[in-house]
Amino acid sequence: DADVTQTPRNRITKTGKRIMLECSQTKGHDRMYWYRQDPGLGLQLIYYSFDVKDINKGEISDGYSVSRQAQAKFSLSLESAIPNQTALYFCATSEGYLNKQFFGPGTRLTVL
Amino acid sequence: GNSVTQMEGPVTLSEEAFLTINCTYTATGYPSLFWYVQYPGEGLQLLLKATKADDKGSNKGFEATYRKETTSFHLEKGSVQVSDSAVYFCALSDNGPGGTSYGKLTFGQGTILTVHP
Repeated sequence: DADVTQTPRNRITKTGKRIMLECSQTKGHDRMYWYRQDPGLGLQLIYYSFDVKDINKGEISDGYSVSRQAQAKFSLSLESAIPNQTALYFCATSEGYLNKQFFGPGTRLTVL
Repeated sequence: GNSVTQMEGPVTLSEEAFLTINCTYTATGYPSLFWYVQYPGEGLQLLLKATKADDKGSNKGFEATYRKETTSFHLEKGSVQVSDSAVYFCALSDNGPGGTSYGKLTFGQGTILTVHP
């Protein structure tokens, strides 16, 4: 089984809808991250969490919110989706002092 | 703030050709440097890393040397294979003194590599 899983893998929705992307990990890591990937822009950090009670905004948090329900679960929400949020979204985990991040397979979100 | 700049892509090579993908960075503090690879339809995987100046990271025939004087971390491979076709990302991690990680990665824009038989 994969160490970092994301659901759904693909989602098509309409402008104004609320969407939740979920991430679960079995690696036992404290740190979890949400990124979005756009062609030609690499990955941009949306939110990150160093433990259940520590949540921080990344570079592009506007229009997004997160919830860290447990050490193993970190959800990303779009309260009112808009077309420029169409992108590939990745969840990642890490052990802090090692830097290395482990990525999930991604969720492809399309907002019409 | 921190930033990472990769060479413009995409890169197309024939099998067994030499590969270089350039990466330069701007950072304060004591960054660690990484190359991640993304195969089609998958998430990113760590390819190699270097944590201090003059360190060389290597894995699967790929190498990169942390050059503080030129703020660079160029990726090289002597003989590429079709299976190396992927998107390659250079990244840095913000560290404090002693290498304590602040945990945030800054990525370059990615370079698409296609290798033909």
